[in-house]
This record gives sequence, C-alpha cells and structure tokens, in this order.
Amino acid sequence: QLQLQESGPRLVKPSETLSLTCTVSGGPIRGTNDYWGWIRQPPGKGLEWIGSIYSSGSTYYNPSLKSRVSISVDTSKNQFSLELSSVTAADTAVYYCARLCSNGICLIQYWGLGTLVTVSS
Amino acid sequence: QLVLTQSPSASASLGASVKLTCTLSSGHSGYTIAWHQQQPEKGPHFLMKVNSDGSLSKGDGITDRFSGSSSGAERYLTISSLKSEDEADYYCQTWGTGIHGVFGGGTKLTVL
Repeated sequence: QLQLQESGPRLVKPSETLSLTCTVSGGPIRGTNDYWGWIRQPPGKGLEWIGSIYSSGSTYYNPSLKSRVSISVDTSKNQFSLELSSVTAADTAVYYCARLCSNGICLIQYWGLGTLVTVSS
Repeated sequence: QLVLTQSPSASASLGASVKLTCTLSSGHSGYTIAWHQQQPEKGPHFLMKVNSDGSLSKGDGITDRFSGSSSGAERYLTISSLKSEDEADYYCQTWGTGIHGVFGGGTKLTVL
C-alpha cells in the first residue's frame, strides 16, 4: 500500500520560493511506469493540478503555473519535490502530493495527507 | 477543451440515497473519470473509477453503499443508505493530453 507524506516550510514570505518534498513509502518511484505530482487547494476552494514528473525526470506542468513551477525527483531517496517561485497570497493553499498516473491511466488513487502553506510576511 | 462540470451542492436525508453527476464537456464523452471524497478538514480519498461503459473499479475498502454508473457524457456517483459521515465534498477527475489533473468544481453533499 503506497503512502505519501509532504514536508516543508508552512510559512513562506511573498516573492520567495515555496519548496516542498514528498516522501513515498510502500513502493519504489524508480522503475515504475508512474507519474508523481502535486495538487493544491486554496482555502474553501477546489482542487488544482500543479504538475507531474516521471521517474526519468520528464515533466508536465499546468500552463497557468508553468513559468513559476519546477518539479524534480530523487529516486535514491524515493522522493520528489516542488518549487514554486515568486509566491503571493494567492498561492496560500493545502498542497497535496499524489501518484498522478500509473501505466498511462491518470486517475489518482494515492494521495498524501496534505500540508497547508501560508504566504505571508 | 476538456472540462468536468458538477453541481455545487446536493442534499439528502439520513438513510436515503443520492446520485451525484459529473458531466464531461462536448467531444469527451468516452473518458474515464475518478470520484474522490473529501470529508471536512481532511484530504481527498479515492472512491472509484467509472468507465464510459459504466464499468467501475472501487478503491480498497470502499463500502458497497457507494456505486458508480455512466450515461453518455455523464458519470454518476450513487450513495445509498446515507450516513452522517457521508457529508463531504465529492470531486470527479480525469486527464487529458499533457494535463494529468482535470477536476470538476466539486459537489458539497449535506446529509439532513
């Protein structure tokens, strides 16, 4: 049973870079035909896909965030990470990591618990 | 453009049944979707995937009170014998070329 856990600073200042890491347990990232990625949910609002990464490092990003987003993977640690630059209050949200796709089917079956990141000075 | 449309809210009484709808945009009626439940103050949880032919695959441990079906561009989630714990937000989700997460706006279910 896969488990995913987000970690990282809960408070980020405006204009700085938000950084989060997702640790995967219960199965490897490397060698699977899976995409891993990030979704966020502003307080009281719906879900927004941020981006995805394959174990080889290939990525897909939400076009609305693409200029500010970078997702990377460290298969030796079974982790993948998110960086979102030049943040504003609008980036305040609960950030979830997830297994986005498996064998070409991109229906999320495994979610992290989520972590609230607040952008404030 | 691939869009999923959900009614913002629904309500039903304890012990009754409710059917939630997710509508795929024009030209996308063949897509498979997933249903996710988000209870208050918790993260989303995968319930099931629903194919265009109505076949479905549930997540581990999902009760038989939850079922799914399909008709044309509509995908349904039916919850029977409603319990207070079913009060939650329900999201449908699919994907497109190069876009791995397409979400409906969510339906807030109130159990009366």
